Order: sequence, then structure tokens, then C-alpha cells
Amino acid sequence: GENVEQHPSTLSVQEGDSAVIKCTYSDSASNYFPWYKQELGKGPQLIIDIRSNVGEKKDQRIAVTLNKTAKHFSLHITETQPEDSAVYFCAASRGMAGTALIFGKGTTLSVSS
Amino acid sequence: DVKVTQSSRYLVKRTGEKVFLECVQDMDHENMFWYRQDPGLGLRLIYFSYDVKMKEKGDIPEGYSVSREKKERFSLILESASTNQTSMYLCASSLFSGGEKLFFGSGTQLSVL
Repeated sequence: GENVEQHPSTLSVQEGDSAVIKCTYSDSASNYFPWYKQELGKGPQLIIDIRSNVGEKKDQRIAVTLNKTAKHFSLHITETQPEDSAVYFCAASRGMAGTALIFGKGTTLSVSS
Repeated sequence: DVKVTQSSRYLVKRTGEKVFLECVQDMDHENMFWYRQDPGLGLRLIYFSYDVKMKEKGDIPEGYSVSREKKERFSLILESASTNQTSMYLCASSLFSGGEKLFFGSGTQLSVL
């Protein structure tokens, strides 16, 4: 069935370093790929998303890249700060119209100062 | 500020009880979703609704039902709670039928004893 795999499950970096989280998806009809950030005690919040007709999108220190051929997409965070510490989820749309997103299992990012 | 409100932050119930989890959104969104979040398993879709009185099964609907009597309210029902339903439950809403740009509530941590 449809699946989104996310790696790594945990990631520890020093403040100022870059962090990269990778996801692969199985449904070649997927065309929408969001990333959510979940801080402790809160619900996930959308931080960036990309559609399949775009290879890369950037928003300040956050960027997402998409490789449709390989069916994988990545989140890049540059100049990490302690407030970037959170759980990050990738997701992919399903091929069938009107259905809901399928999420990866999450990555716990820890940024130490 | 847009808001998805889940009625309880923490709930403790006994096995066999009927449990209602309530979710209200103030954004006039057509689409609402219930996810379950477990450590190491990410977010899994239980049910979603794209209109009042409409509902669709997600990936793990067994043991759950839903009710959408009004546009702003989407309830998750555990007909007979079991210990394996102990989890964090997240409600979300969206303007888009595919679940794009989800707004999540803060979640309800349910413990079934």
C-alpha cells in the first residue's frame, strides 16, 4: 500500500549547523508534499510545502527539495537554533483525489547550544 | 487567529466505556480529520469528513466511529474503549479536500485503563 518512510528518526546537531531530514514515498501519483513541525505539547504546524511541478522551495532558513524520479523529498534547515528543536513530520498526498495525507513517522530534532 | 479546539487535553477512561472526543474549528472549513499519534508510528488517519454528515474511513478506522452534525464540529467516538486505544488523538481541519494545509488542534491524550 501507500507508504512514506522518514529518516532519521532522531537527529542531534549543534546550534548553527545544518539539519537534513529525508522522506521517500511509494505512490507515483502523489503530487503534494508538506512538512509539519510539532513542538512539545502542541499540535503539528505546517512549515513548508511543495508541489510536484516544483523541484525546490525556500523560506528563510528552511528549504524543501523534491526528486520525483527517485520519489524522495528532503527538508533542509540551515543555521539551526535551539527553537528549531521539535518533531518534524513529512507527508505526501495520495493518488486518489479527495483522500487525506499519509504521514511519515517523524524525526526528533535536537539543537544544542 | 484560526483555531482548532479539542475539548480535553487529558482523558482517563475505563475499558468498555463509550468515549467522545470533540473537535471544533472556527475557520468554516469543509474538511475535518482525526489522526492518532503513537511514538514511533507517526500520525495515522482514523476518519475524515469532507462535508456535514459525510464521513470516510481512513487507514485505521476499526473500533472508532465519527459524527459530523455541524460544519464546525467533528466528533470521534470510541464505542467500547480498549487499552490499545490509549494514544494521542489529533483533530485537524482544512479548506482543501486532499488534506492540504492542515490546521491541527493541540491534541487529546487518552488513557484507557
